[in-house]
Amino acid sequence: AQTVTQSQPEMSVQEAETVTLSCTYDTSENNYYLFWYKQPPSRQMILVIRQEAYKQQNATENRFSVNFQKAAKSFSLKISDSQLGDTAMYFCAFIYYGSSNTGKLIFGQGTTLQVKP
Amino acid sequence: DVKVTQSSRYLVKRTGEKVFLECVQDMDHENMFWYRQDPGLGLRLIYFSYDVKMKEKGDIPEGYSVSREKKERFSLILESASTNQTSMYLCASSPFPGQGDEKLFFGSGTQLSVL
Repeated sequence: AQTVTQSQPEMSVQEAETVTLSCTYDTSENNYYLFWYKQPPSRQMILVIRQEAYKQQNATENRFSVNFQKAAKSFSLKISDSQLGDTAMYFCAFIYYGSSNTGKLIFGQGTTLQVKP
Repeated sequence: DVKVTQSSRYLVKRTGEKVFLECVQDMDHENMFWYRQDPGLGLRLIYFSYDVKMKEKGDIPEGYSVSREKKERFSLILESASTNQTSMYLCASSPFPGQGDEKLFFGSGTQLSVL
């Protein structure tokens, strides 16, 4: 079974500081993608960053970067220079392509991040 | 930009009612999904569809059914709503893989309360 685990239900960080959210996953698939989605109070899911499993280089998007350790099945998100607008729930997820090639997205339990002024 | 629209933001229904949650996407995506979101459990897949009239069960299909008569529309049906189906429901769509855009696009959710 494919699973995603986020072991930190809640985290907080001071504005302008750096925070890292943890994620581990379990899969026997070789072809998959990893994601971090952000869900602010508006409830709209927003894609933060995406990583292809076949790429060794860690993905970065402005202040957001990941540490992808494929052998350890670990995919953490680092937020640099935290801003108040980063306050949200963050979901780690991965997508794999099964027999029907539909790409089911499997989510972790979520981490609520609060950025304090 | 891709738009995934869910017909209701908030919905209140009574136990035993038949409930329809509608979702429409405007990007001609093949795949559509229904998730429910509960605190501490993340998002769990209820059903998905990879083509018109095609559907597959997700991880928690019990008590739900779906309908996809047109490519752009994917409906979630609660045949007889129960209080344990009170939840946030999220619809999503995605293109077939290999098009360089492997990710899901989400609607803004429907908060359903069953009394």
